[in-house]
Amino acid sequence: DGGITQSPKYLFRKEGQNVTLSCEQNLNHDAMYWYRQDPGQGLRLIYYSQIVNDFQKGDIAEGYSVSREKKESFPLTVTSAQKNPTAFYLCASSVNIRTEAFFGQGTRLTVV
Amino acid sequence: ELKVEQNPLFLSMQEGKNYTIYCNYSTTSDRLYWYRQDPGKSLESLFVLLSNGAVKQEGRLMASLDTKARLSTLHITAAVHDLSATYFCAVEVSGYALNFGKGTSLLVTP
Repeated sequence: DGGITQSPKYLFRKEGQNVTLSCEQNLNHDAMYWYRQDPGQGLRLIYYSQIVNDFQKGDIAEGYSVSREKKESFPLTVTSAQKNPTAFYLCASSVNIRTEAFFGQGTRLTVV
Repeated sequence: ELKVEQNPLFLSMQEGKNYTIYCNYSTTSDRLYWYRQDPGKSLESLFVLLSNGAVKQEGRLMASLDTKARLSTLHITAAVHDLSATYFCAVEVSGYALNFGKGTSLLVTP
């Protein structure tokens, strides 16, 4: 089935550790996105990529890093520099930047 | 900086009643999206509005877009419990990813 797969669904991290969230899509979409959701905050853009080997910072990129080496994959690394990483992370993709975005099921990250 | 404001942020309504959720945005855009999110779940696309005056309807929900007023509405007709969820509008500005409102949490009660 075509879709966007995020893994893991739940992730626990110790303070000071880096963790990587996976996002894979088989929709042949060029654009991919990472959003962070906190209670009552809506979705805030972390990074986005319009094409392979290119990505841009969103509104809250500090403490995060991404790569886009393959069209299908857009992993997000939450670094130790991110002071408050506990949140729900959503990956999305779209045909291009001007078309409807489809979302994965999300990864809930908790710092312990 | 693009701002997307939804109101109300919380809405409790009785089954069978009608209500409208509003989405205002601060800069020119001709593309607006509505999404639904159930608790702990991802976002599900509801409507794509691509031009001024666009109106889309699906069941008890109807969305419209007025690009001149920079306003979109999501109208709920004869609400039922299954519509309880959080509804987000998202605005696309050329060359940039979607900007989301904070969401409207809707609770439909008997």
